Amino acid sequence: DIHMTQSPSSLSASVGDTVTITCRANQVIGIALAWIQQKPGKAPKSLIFGASSLQSGVPSRFSGSGSGTDFTLTISSLQPEDFATYYCQHYAAYPHTFGQGTRLQIK
Amino acid sequence: EVQLVQSGAEVKKPGESLQISCKGYGYSFTGYWIAWVRQMPGKGLEWMGIIYPGDSDTRYNPSFQGQVTISADKSTTTVYLQWSSLKASDTAVYYCARHHDYWGQGTLVTVSS
Repeated sequence: DIHMTQSPSSLSASVGDTVTITCRANQVIGIALAWIQQKPGKAPKSLIFGASSLQSGVPSRFSGSGSGTDFTLTISSLQPEDFATYYCQHYAAYPHTFGQGTRLQIK
Repeated sequence: EVQLVQSGAEVKKPGESLQISCKGYGYSFTGYWIAWVRQMPGKGLEWMGIIYPGDSDTRYNPSFQGQVTISADKSTTTVYLQWSSLKASDTAVYYCARHHDYWGQGTLVTVSS
């Protein structure tokens, strides 16, 4: 299985900050990577696919980059509704494993 | 509007069987893979497996192979996740998700004696 490692596991930031979450695969996955947001008690929401393509309706303050094994999710000008847990997920081969999640908290 | 609507919460006893469902609306059901994802209480997301309703091609995470069965019914645009003998450790919220984009609202399964 391809293993996905996110860092940090948690971080604190303030409204208006820019934050970056990284995701590393233990094998080359090209750009077969998605980023998913989950708020407490809610269903996950897909943000990005293909490492950098925004899902329809996702604000442009979210951006993704990377290819191969190293990927980043950047959130610019944090808004109150952005405080959530973020997961990366590869889909290069079965099983489509998730990272362990990064909890973004308000400072 | 694309929607995945899941069946309601279930409370079962260990050893019982269960099938939960995920019904697709607003798109060509047979043309998109649908995955099942487990989230145990307070934990992260785990990918269980995926099905292509067009031909019922199904792939499982080895960690879940033999523990669950994923199936699809094109006539009702519904994907299913089935257990033949539940365990307490199956207690979790289960989500269906169309590959890459839309997610169901989740189904809470509680297994307790």
